Amino acid sequence: GENVEQHPSTLSVQEGDSAVIKCTYSDSASNYFPWYKQELGKRPQLIIDIRSNVGEKKDQRIAVTLNKTAKHFSLHITETQPEDSAVYFCAASRTGNQFYFGTGTSLTVIP
Amino acid sequence: KAGVTQTPRYLIKTRGQQVTLSCSPISGHRSVSWYQQTPGQGLQFLFEYFSETQRNKGNFPGRFSGRQFSNSRSEMNVSTLELGDSALYLCASSLLGRTITDTQYFGPGTRLTVL
Repeated sequence: GENVEQHPSTLSVQEGDSAVIKCTYSDSASNYFPWYKQELGKRPQLIIDIRSNVGEKKDQRIAVTLNKTAKHFSLHITETQPEDSAVYFCAASRTGNQFYFGTGTSLTVIP
Repeated sequence: KAGVTQTPRYLIKTRGQQVTLSCSPISGHRSVSWYQQTPGQGLQFLFEYFSETQRNKGNFPGRFSGRQFSNSRSEMNVSTLELGDSALYLCASSLLGRTITDTQYFGPGTRLTVL
């Protein structure tokens, strides 16, 4: 089955700096890569996703890049704010109905 | 549009008991997936249902089972509870469960504690 690795497990940045979280996947047939943000005690919320027919997608301060050849994808958050502090999960799927998740990155934005 | 709902939100059970969790997907969504979230293992896929049929299953023992009803609501059952089953159980729904068109939305989860 698919194996998704996520790094780093914890990340601290100063407010206003950028944060980058990286994930690698093993199944070359995976073609959908969502990112979720989970605040303490709350449900995971989809923040951005990318499908394998594109290499980059941006939504305001958030961007995701995908390198199919290297089988890795990354989340970029620019101009970080304290409310960006949360656990971020990457995931991969080839079917759309079975997802494999990374182990999460705890992001702390220091004011 | 109302989001994914799960009941109950919290449960405390003892070892050996069984438990049933419920998930109501977003209206119109026909694919429902279940995940177990623990601090050590992260989010792990349990199974996925579509049109009352289990389409995919993760690597969990047979004590974990589920079903889906004709209105797309889903239930998950865990029999003979073990201490290690303590976790947050999340369900997620999507329209059809296909990567080309769908986005998956999570419910708030059911926090199960096994004593």
